[in-house]
Amino acid sequence: EAGVTQFPSHSVIEKGQTVTLRCDPISGHDNLYWYRRVMGKEIKFLLHFVKESKQDESGMPNNRFLAERTGGTYSTLKVQPAELEDSGVYFCASSQEFEATEAFFGQGTRLTVV
Amino acid sequence: AQSVTQLDSQVPVFEEAPVELRCNYSSSVSVYLFWYVQYPNQGLQLLLKYLSGSTLVESINGFEAEFNKSQTSFHLRKPSVHISDTAEYFCAVSRRGSQGNLIFGKGTKLSVKP
Repeated sequence: EAGVTQFPSHSVIEKGQTVTLRCDPISGHDNLYWYRRVMGKEIKFLLHFVKESKQDESGMPNNRFLAERTGGTYSTLKVQPAELEDSGVYFCASSQEFEATEAFFGQGTRLTVV
Repeated sequence: AQSVTQLDSQVPVFEEAPVELRCNYSSSVSVYLFWYVQYPNQGLQLLLKYLSGSTLVESINGFEAEFNKSQTSFHLRKPSVHISDTAEYFCAVSRRGSQGNLIFGKGTKLSVKP
């Protein structure tokens, strides 16, 4: 069974450009999460989808970030326009249950904004 | 609100030595507790978790952690480490009876030297 897959693994963009990150969760997992780790800091929760609905987006830093999960399968996280402080590693995770007693993580996308 | 403190950002040890990675949490509600590991160039993997029952939990590769409610700790231990244990270790909590987003500590880099 395939795990959580994230694309791309690395992305280097200039300030002001747009980047779209993609996450394919484990098949059958209704719950999908985005997290971010800025260098030297904690991994922080961004948002939670249940199927195609946003359950909790309290961690989204600002309106330059837009997450979607059309059809309740894969999800995208768009940053537009990117700023230097957006650099970091973006992780996606999925779980079967709402009260996740185990979340499966992808390898992450390392985003560098220059 | 919950928070997680990992007191040591880096822990260097020699191969076959014992190791303890410390984790303390703060929460006004009951939580689940997790340790995740990130090996070089890989994603986050669940190492072990405490949900309920026995306060001592073990992983398949020899790590163990003990939930101590009075001290609000969940320290990770291994009696004899291998070079292959070199990785970054993250302690995390999630609220019981709630959605499964995780709150992470800052991580501890374990470096095992020959």
